[in-house]
Parts: sequence; C-alpha cells; structure tokens
Amino acid sequence: AQKVTQAQTEISVVEKEDVTLDCVYETRDTTYYLFWYKQPPSGELVFLIRRNSFDEQNEISGRYSWNFQKSTSSFNFTITASQVVDSAVYFCALSEADSGNTPLVFGKGTRLSVIA
Amino acid sequence: DGGITQSPKYLFRKEGQNVTLSCEQNLNHDAMYWYRQDPGQGLRLIYYSQIVNDFQKGDIAEGYSVSREKKESFPLTVTSAQKNPTAFYLCASRKGHGGYTFGSGTRLTVV
Repeated sequence: AQKVTQAQTEISVVEKEDVTLDCVYETRDTTYYLFWYKQPPSGELVFLIRRNSFDEQNEISGRYSWNFQKSTSSFNFTITASQVVDSAVYFCALSEADSGNTPLVFGKGTRLSVIA
Repeated sequence: DGGITQSPKYLFRKEGQNVTLSCEQNLNHDAMYWYRQDPGQGLRLIYYSQIVNDFQKGDIAEGYSVSREKKESFPLTVTSAQKNPTAFYLCASRKGHGGYTFGSGTRLTVV
C-alpha cells in the first residue's frame, strides 16, 4: 500500500528564515510520481512540482527547492528566505505510475506560518 | 482559459436535505475526483471517475453519490444519509500521470 507521511503538523518561522518541510513516502512501485501542493487561506490547492522516480536531481525554482532521495524515500521541500505570503498548508502526494488517472495519495499536510 | 469551476462557493443545507455540488472542467481531462477536507485536516477521497459513465468509491463514499454522464462534469450529491456534511469540498481533474488541477472549492454548512 502507498503512504505519505508529513510528520510536521505545524511550523512557525520568522520572516527571512529558511524552512524545510519533510515528506516521507512508502510504495512498492519502482516507477512513481511525487507532488507538492500549496493551500493558501483561500482554500484552492496550487500545484508546485511533480517529480518522477527516475529523476533524482534536485529542483530549484526561485526561493523553492526540492530534495528527492530514493535511498531514504524522502521528498523534502525547502523555502529559502521565507515570506509572509508563504504561509499556507503544504501537501505532499504520491502517485503510482503503472496506470494513469489513479487517485493521488496525500499526506496530512504541514501548516506553515511565517511571522513578520 | 482552461480550468475547473466549482459552484456554489458557499452552500447551506438543512437537516435531511440533499444538495448537489457542481464541478465542471474544460481541460479535456479524463479523470475527476472529489475530496472532503475538515478544518485543520487533510484531504479524504470521496469518489473518483477515470472515464465517462464509470466511477469508483473512495475512502469515505457513504452518504454521497456522483454521476459522470459527460467528460466535463462530475457533480457530487450530499445525501441526507451523510450525518456530518459540514466541510470544504474540493474537486480535481487529472490527465494521465500529470498532477491534479483543483477547483476553488465549495464550503458546505448544515443549518
């Protein structure tokens, strides 16, 4: 069975601090996809990144970066120089790749509060 | 612009009443999904549909029903059998192995 664990329920940081959100996953598949979503107070989930299991290169997008390590089954998300607008709930998700369109398996989310 | 439209944004239901939440997409995505989110909680899968005229139960399907008569539409009915329907409902769609595209959600409150 697939499972995604986000052990950090809530994190608070002061603006400009760096923060890392942890994501650990379980799957028996050798091919799979990992995702991160942001849910701001408005409620709509915003797609941030998709990574397939064969691509272990780290990804950087502006202040956001992702560290994918198959050896530890982790796909961690770091925000550098955090800003108040980063305050949101962040979800990590997993999808098997043997067939498309199957539901994503979500972690329970990490609520990030960035304090000015 | 392509996207997913959920309506209404806010919905109030009386005890014992059925209500239907609308979800429409113009992304030509094959699959559509309904999730429920309670305050401070994660997402729980209610129903999903991978193809027109077919759908599968998710983890918390009891008290809900769906239909998928058109590729673009996946309405969710919250029936009177759902004893605690107050929640935030999110609809999503997906094509192949891409990520979900989410709608903006419907907040349902029982009055």
